[in-house]
Amino acid sequence: DGGITQSPKYLFRKEGQNVTLSCEQNLNHDAMYWYRQDPGQGLRLIYYSQIVNDFQKGDIAEGYSVSREKKESFPLTVTSAQKNPTAFYLCASSIDRRRNTEAFFGQGTRLTVV
Amino acid sequence: GESVGLHLPTLSVQEGDNSIINCAYSNSASDYFIWYKQESGKGPQFIIDIRSNMDKRQGQRVTVLLNKTVKHLSLQIAATQPGDSAVYFCAEEGGYNKLIFGAGTRLAVHP
Repeated sequence: DGGITQSPKYLFRKEGQNVTLSCEQNLNHDAMYWYRQDPGQGLRLIYYSQIVNDFQKGDIAEGYSVSREKKESFPLTVTSAQKNPTAFYLCASSIDRRRNTEAFFGQGTRLTVV
Repeated sequence: GESVGLHLPTLSVQEGDNSIINCAYSNSASDYFIWYKQESGKGPQFIIDIRSNMDKRQGQRVTVLLNKTVKHLSLQIAATQPGDSAVYFCAEEGGYNKLIFGAGTRLAVHP
């Protein structure tokens, strides 16, 4: 079945560690996104990529990094510079760079700093 | 600036009643809006979308209304069921393929 797969579902990080969250899609979508969700709040955009080898900062990119070496993959690294990384992270994709197209979401990764 | 917000953080309804979830947006240039449903611990699911050249769009048991004059969006759910219990988000396109989400409204359906 086509879809977006995020892994792992739960992730624990020690203070000062970098961790990488995986996002893979087999929908043949050009555009991919990472959002952060805190309890009781909406989704905030971290990074997005409209095409392979290109990505743009969203509203809260500090402390995060991404790569887009393959169309189907858009991993997110939460670096030690992110001071409050505990959150629910959601990856999404949309069909192409045209406007007015819906985004499809993965099931999320819950990151906890221990 | 661009923002999307919701009037009611929590909405409680009786099973079988109709539900109305409201959303206000501030960017008058936005021309595409989506409603998502998010169940606990899961990613948002697409419900319905609407473009700014429309004022109403219907799906199965759901209707989205867009009032561009007052920059208001609403989601109507007919005959609300327990399975409709979730958090509902409206989102607007705030730029090139960039969705801006509101804080969400929790819908609680009681038997």
